[in-house]
Amino acid sequence: TQLLEQSPQFLSIQEGENLTVYCNSSSVFSSLQWYRQEPGEGPVLLVTVVTGGEVKKLKRLTFQFGDARKDSSLHITAAQPGDTGLYLCAGARTNAGKSTFGDGTTLTVKP
Amino acid sequence: DAGVIQSPRHEVTEMGQEVTLRCKPISGHNSLFWYRQTMMRGLELLIYFNNNVPIDDSGMPEDRFSAKMPNASFSTLKIQPSEPRDSAVYFCASSGQAGGGIEQYFGPGTRLTVT
Repeated sequence: TQLLEQSPQFLSIQEGENLTVYCNSSSVFSSLQWYRQEPGEGPVLLVTVVTGGEVKKLKRLTFQFGDARKDSSLHITAAQPGDTGLYLCAGARTNAGKSTFGDGTTLTVKP
Repeated sequence: DAGVIQSPRHEVTEMGQEVTLRCKPISGHNSLFWYRQTMMRGLELLIYFNNNVPIDDSGMPEDRFSAKMPNASFSTLKIQPSEPRDSAVYFCASSGQAGGGIEQYFGPGTRLTVT
């Protein structure tokens, strides 16, 4: 059973466009992380959200944690080719010791 | 900090051979995770350690896979005997379990090809 579902699976857009990707679950998480992975490299941590309704901004990236802590979204404003990569969300339950990863959204930003 | 270090970066071996992957976590981190990534199955957790003790190995595919963490600065993942279906990218990650969530720092991965 996939606890975290990410959508869309693939997204191809032009430079300058805005986009939103989603991470959904029926489970409640104590925290949720977003990672970006570029080809040939390991995932890199972007942000952690822990409070229901929390919004965090990282330059052109805006992350939101759902009020019920079951879902999250990542919005990118004015996407650039450097944003290209696989975006992974990972949720951790209280005292679980480990995270569950979604299958990711592969983003391609064309110049 | 050098980050998580993995070796080798690439490994090509023949079916039936033993393969050993190595990982050096970030100094001071007390949790270490081994993952496998493929196009078909995504990122799968194989095993994780806390304070050098294996906590959950339910993701290890079968008895051919084993992992050890003899001390806080070194871990190995061994496959014996290897099979073509083991071909994947294997990642090691470490975490300091800081308050607020499990933030993991990944190594560059080992790309394993079993022919």
